[in-house]
Amino acid sequence: NAGVTQTPKFQVLKTGQSMTLQCAQDMNHNSMYWYRQDPGMGLRLIYYSASEGTTDKGEVPNGYNVSRLNKREFSLRLESAAPSQTSVYFCASSEARGPYNEQFFGPGTRLTVL
Amino acid sequence: SQQGEEDPQALSIQEGENATMNCSYKTSINNLQWYRQNSGRGLVHLILIRSNEREKHSGRLRVTLDTSKKSSSLLITASRAADTASYFCATAGGFKTIFGAGTRLFVKA
Repeated sequence: NAGVTQTPKFQVLKTGQSMTLQCAQDMNHNSMYWYRQDPGMGLRLIYYSASEGTTDKGEVPNGYNVSRLNKREFSLRLESAAPSQTSVYFCASSEARGPYNEQFFGPGTRLTVL
Repeated sequence: SQQGEEDPQALSIQEGENATMNCSYKTSINNLQWYRQNSGRGLVHLILIRSNEREKHSGRLRVTLDTSKKSSSLLITASRAADTASYFCATAGGFKTIFGAGTRLFVKA
């Protein structure tokens, strides 16, 4: 099992460009999450999907959109990238419909917006 | 608004010593989790303690939870150089899990 995979690993964008970060999990988990991690800060939740077909805003959703394509895949889209979106992005998944189980994280995507 | 706050922000110890990290939070929780992050990697789950538990052990890890003080501690005994990482507490009071800023642990060989 690969666990949670993310692509790409690194990306450099110019202000105003768009891109989609891909995430897939092979653990048959119901819930998936997107976080961003900035220096000196913990992870902040951008969006989450409690189950296939549903998505909800997290703590910092502005400037992002998500798609739960199927049970395995959850993508994060930046429509018009801004320097403030320079960060490391992590996708995670968990088994239960709720916070009671551990989350499994992908390796992250390091995004720089110039 | 972050729920968990770790203390200290950074900790440097010798191999073989114990490392203690603390976490404080603000509102009621269902459970509290500790995660580890090696440099440049994703987070790895270490241990989960439910709100009705006071202490939990897993190998060299010991976690305590005091809901009256809204605090938790993570003890790593007999630390090793491989324990060098950042450690995060995460609180779950609803569906969302909120992470603190982390404690950076450096274990010198």
